[in-house]
Amino acid sequence: GNSVTQMEGPVTLSEEAFLTINCTYTATGYPSLFWYVQYPGEGLQLLLKATKADDKGSNKGFEATYRKETTSFHLEKGSVQVSDSAVYFCALSEGNYGQNFVFGPGTRLSVLP
Amino acid sequence: ETGVTQSPTHLIKTRGQQVTLRCSSQSGHNTVSWYQQALGQGPQFIFQYYREEENGRGNFPPRFSGLQFPNYSSELNVNALELDDSALYLCASSFSGTGTFYTFGSGTRLTVV
Repeated sequence: GNSVTQMEGPVTLSEEAFLTINCTYTATGYPSLFWYVQYPGEGLQLLLKATKADDKGSNKGFEATYRKETTSFHLEKGSVQVSDSAVYFCALSEGNYGQNFVFGPGTRLSVLP
Repeated sequence: ETGVTQSPTHLIKTRGQQVTLRCSSQSGHNTVSWYQQALGQGPQFIFQYYREEENGRGNFPPRFSGLQFPNYSSELNVNALELDDSALYLCASSFSGTGTFYTFGSGTRLTVV
């Protein structure tokens, strides 16, 4: 079945450092890809998405490009802030109508001042 | 515009008991999905309801069941609780029924003792 793999955490960075969180997927067909963020005690929030190969999703300084050839969707940010501390989930949509998500295990990011 | 509301926020049950979790979808949304998030893991798809009909189901046993009501709110019922059912249960709603525009609730934390 479809699956998503993320780099192991936790990731600890200093403020203004460059962030990369790796994500690779295995899927039949060409699913849409997503990054979700979960702050402590909260549900998931959509960070960005890409629906086809070579699409770049971006939001709040975060970016990720849908790479079909490497089946990857790595998350990047040029300069992280303390407020970016959270758990980040890579996900793909599956089902006849793309109606459900397959999530990776999540990567916890801690940004130190 | 209200978001997705889940109740209760926390719950403790004894093994073998039954539990009902509730979800009020975002205004205007007609699709509800439920996910189970075990501690330190990514959410796993349980099932989805679209216009009161089940529209997809993940790899969960039949003791996990659901309902969607005419106002598009939803319930998740779990019978014969097991210790491994301890998790955060997330509800997500959407209008389109596709994996693009979901809004997640903050979840119900279920502990089975």
